[in-house]
Amino acid sequence: NAGVTQTPKFQVLKTGQSMTLQCAQDMNHNSMYWYRQDPGMGLRLIYYSASEGTTDKGEVPNGYNVSRLNKREFSLRLESAAPSQTSVYFCASSEGGLPPLHFGNGTRLTVT
Amino acid sequence: RKEVEQDPGPFNVPEGATVAFNCTYSNSASQSFFWYRQDCRKEPKLLMSVYSSGNEDGRFTAQLNRASQYISLLIRDSKLSDSATYLCVVLRSSSGGGADGLTFGKGTHLIIQP
Repeated sequence: NAGVTQTPKFQVLKTGQSMTLQCAQDMNHNSMYWYRQDPGMGLRLIYYSASEGTTDKGEVPNGYNVSRLNKREFSLRLESAAPSQTSVYFCASSEGGLPPLHFGNGTRLTVT
Repeated sequence: RKEVEQDPGPFNVPEGATVAFNCTYSNSASQSFFWYRQDCRKEPKLLMSVYSSGNEDGRFTAQLNRASQYISLLIRDSKLSDSATYLCVVLRSSSGGGADGLTFGKGTHLIIQP
């Protein structure tokens, strides 16, 4: 019972490089989310997908794109990474778009 | 007032003691409340939901005070394994109830000392 799985666990990028963070859940949840967590700040929502085929911006969407590939998978793409995107990224899912959220174990991204 | 506020701590508490901390929220129409636990360098995990009448789960008790707009978490007989950061999470009333409407506090760091 894996729950929510994120890859990679760690990544270092140079400014301007691109990458995609992968997330998959095996709980048959409709809704999926991407958050970032920075020191001294609460988790902030980047993008979410209420159901397969839909995506919406959250609180801090600039510099990111997402794709809801199917019900299981929701990816986050950084097209041109910036040092301000250094953070820990968490993917989450929920049943029926309602709380509570189930989180993946995070991706630690450093942009130099 | 910030949307969700928590004392960042750290709270240093001897093993076996009782500890309590609060979280205040600014929107009086907020609907739902949760406590999450986050261990160092790990993902947040749901500890418990907070119900209007208060609720208990083993050594943990959560309370909601709508009049003063805060929720609390009380931990009795604290264990070394309770050391973690506790996140207060509030569902905004404007979100329609969906999980996209959750606001996370910055967390309270708890250290249980032997």
